[in-house]
Amino acid sequence: GAVVSQHPSWVICKSGTSVKIECRSLDFQATTMFWYRQFPKQSLMLMATSNEGSKATYEQGVEKDKFLINHASLTLSTLTVTSAHPEDSSFYICSQLAPGGPYNEQFFGPGTRLTVL
Amino acid sequence: AQTVTQSQPEMSVQEAETVTLSCTYDTSENNYYLFWYKQPPSRQMILVIRQEAYKQQNATENRFSVNFQKAAKSFSLKISDSQLGDTAMYFCAFMKHEGGSEKLVFGKGTKLTVNP
Repeated sequence: GAVVSQHPSWVICKSGTSVKIECRSLDFQATTMFWYRQFPKQSLMLMATSNEGSKATYEQGVEKDKFLINHASLTLSTLTVTSAHPEDSSFYICSQLAPGGPYNEQFFGPGTRLTVL
Repeated sequence: AQTVTQSQPEMSVQEAETVTLSCTYDTSENNYYLFWYKQPPSRQMILVIRQEAYKQQNATENRFSVNFQKAAKSFSLKISDSQLGDTAMYFCAFMKHEGGSEKLVFGKGTKLTVNP
């Protein structure tokens, strides 16, 4: 399967600061990437769909001004958590849509654990 | 809106035995895809098996197989000859088409423990 990387794998920040998480496709060009949030012992919740060269589409209830998504190239999407607060502490996972085939499979990154103090 | 329900929060099985994880879903679409993902303690999401709704034949991948009942909207996962490495969270997922891109809707997951 495709290889997706995320950086950093974990980050600790102070309340009020901003944190940027990178999601990279290492072996194919991804026009569409997805960002998920996973709280402890819970499922993955889709936050937004990131399309290369256009604005991201956010799910209902997700603040687009707080979670800034940039998909400037076919191999990189970034999620910036602005003015982070302790309630933003979570596990953030990106996935990429692999084109081709009878359906478009999503390949997941290893995730980023964010802790806001 | 599509929903995915996993009614078993936790399950356990003895090594080498067989276990079945249940999943039901609700949709008005006729063509869609269903997936089972595994999330081990590393938290890396790993695709276990997939099923196209238009295919009547149940998908099989080595020790993993599904029982897909379209009319009942049921999609259970059977793990045969369970191994210690199968210990993980298992998520059932439905892929819908919305806004030109395919989105995954996940169930709440089943925590599977394989005991030696």
